[in-house]
Amino acid sequence: KAGVTQTPRYLIKTRGQQVTLSCSPISGHRSVSWYQQTPGQGLQFLFEYFSETQRNKGNFPGRFSGRQFSNSRSEMNVSTLELGDSALYLCASSRGVAGGRAYEQYFGPGTRLTVT
Amino acid sequence: SQKIEQNSEALNIQEGKTATLTCNYTNYSPAYLQWYRQDPGRGPVFLLLIRENEKEKRKERLKVTFDTTLKQSLFHITASQPADSATYLCALVYSSASKIIFGSGTRLSIRP
Repeated sequence: KAGVTQTPRYLIKTRGQQVTLSCSPISGHRSVSWYQQTPGQGLQFLFEYFSETQRNKGNFPGRFSGRQFSNSRSEMNVSTLELGDSALYLCASSRGVAGGRAYEQYFGPGTRLTVT
Repeated sequence: SQKIEQNSEALNIQEGKTATLTCNYTNYSPAYLQWYRQDPGRGPVFLLLIRENEKEKRKERLKVTFDTTLKQSLFHITASQPADSATYLCALVYSSASKIIFGSGTRLSIRP
């Protein structure tokens, strides 16, 4: 069974630009969550999608948005990039129902975003 | 706001010994508590999950305990090996609020 895949793996952008990251969950998983990981703040929850609907959102500004398609693939967009957005962005998929996090999450390898 | 503390940023122990990592939290007890392992440059890998009404869970050389009175979870690796060296993260899951909070992690090093 293929794992969670994320593209691209590495990205360098300039302040003010926007970026779109992609995540393909494990086949059969309907929940996709996005996280930001930095050395200072650790792993922070961005949002979760289940059946194309955003079910939960973390404390991030509106510049961070996402969506999920009917095949459960998800994209995350960050507009007007800031230097502080440099981080590892991780996507995780789960077979659990929305809000029920008893199911373990399977993480992808992440996208390393550098903003200059 | 809810806070999680993982005992120390780094832990170094001798191969063969038992490694014990601590996850403490404040305020409300979560419905579930998960432990993950993360290697450099990779995403976290799920290890174990324990529910609030469970005291202990085991999987091979791994053991997790959950004490809602102390607001603490302990994660043990018995007969530790250098291959167990990684960062270990605990995560608190509040299913009623669909919320998950990760600890900052403990970097475990097992020396031969």
